[in-house]
Amino acid sequence: AQSVTQLGSHVSVSEGALVLLRCNYSSSVPPYLFWYVQYPNQGLQLLLKYTTGATLVKGINGFEAEFKKSETSFHLTKPSAHMSDAAEYFCAVTLNNAGNMLTFGGGTRLMVKP
Amino acid sequence: NAGVTQTPKFRILKIGQSMTLQCTQDMNHNYMYWYRQDPGMGLKLIYYSVGAGITDKGEVPNGYNVSRSTTEDFPLRLELAAPSQTSVYFCASISQSSGNTIYFGEGSWLTVV
Repeated sequence: AQSVTQLGSHVSVSEGALVLLRCNYSSSVPPYLFWYVQYPNQGLQLLLKYTTGATLVKGINGFEAEFKKSETSFHLTKPSAHMSDAAEYFCAVTLNNAGNMLTFGGGTRLMVKP
Repeated sequence: NAGVTQTPKFRILKIGQSMTLQCTQDMNHNYMYWYRQDPGMGLKLIYYSVGAGITDKGEVPNGYNVSRSTTEDFPLRLELAAPSQTSVYFCASISQSSGNTIYFGEGSWLTVV
């Protein structure tokens, strides 16, 4: 079975500052890892995903994440926060055998101060 | 290309009433899921299906039922609505051909009063 832990249910940054949202996972086999963003009263939108290959993954809206197997982490970063980045972010994991259940972290609410 | 479609988007139910949340996907995905999201919480899996005719319980199945008579449709049934079922419900399907990418519906906001 797999699990996901997102450290920090709320993160606040100033506009223009670095965004770092933490995600650690546990998995018995190589995982597929995802970050989703949810804006208020909307569904979840895929930001980026890691399946195989390059461990640094670039997504939409300037976000990127790096898969670090030794640290079992998949932290999400953005060099410079924008007011429009304020949202809820979810890390998720599934195993690489097709169709396994997606397990979500508890979410991190990102607040961006002007 | 409609993707995953959920209806209704908003609904208010009285305690004890029943209703069905509809979910349809047009991507020929075998795997479909129902999640609920409570305020300030992550997503919890209610039920899932790995193909037509096959369903199984997730983490929080009590008070719900599902069916999967076709590949496209995966309705979620609430038989006797309770206030604890006030939540946002998301239907999803997985594309095995694109690295298990999950596609979500836009959500159904349900309030039980």
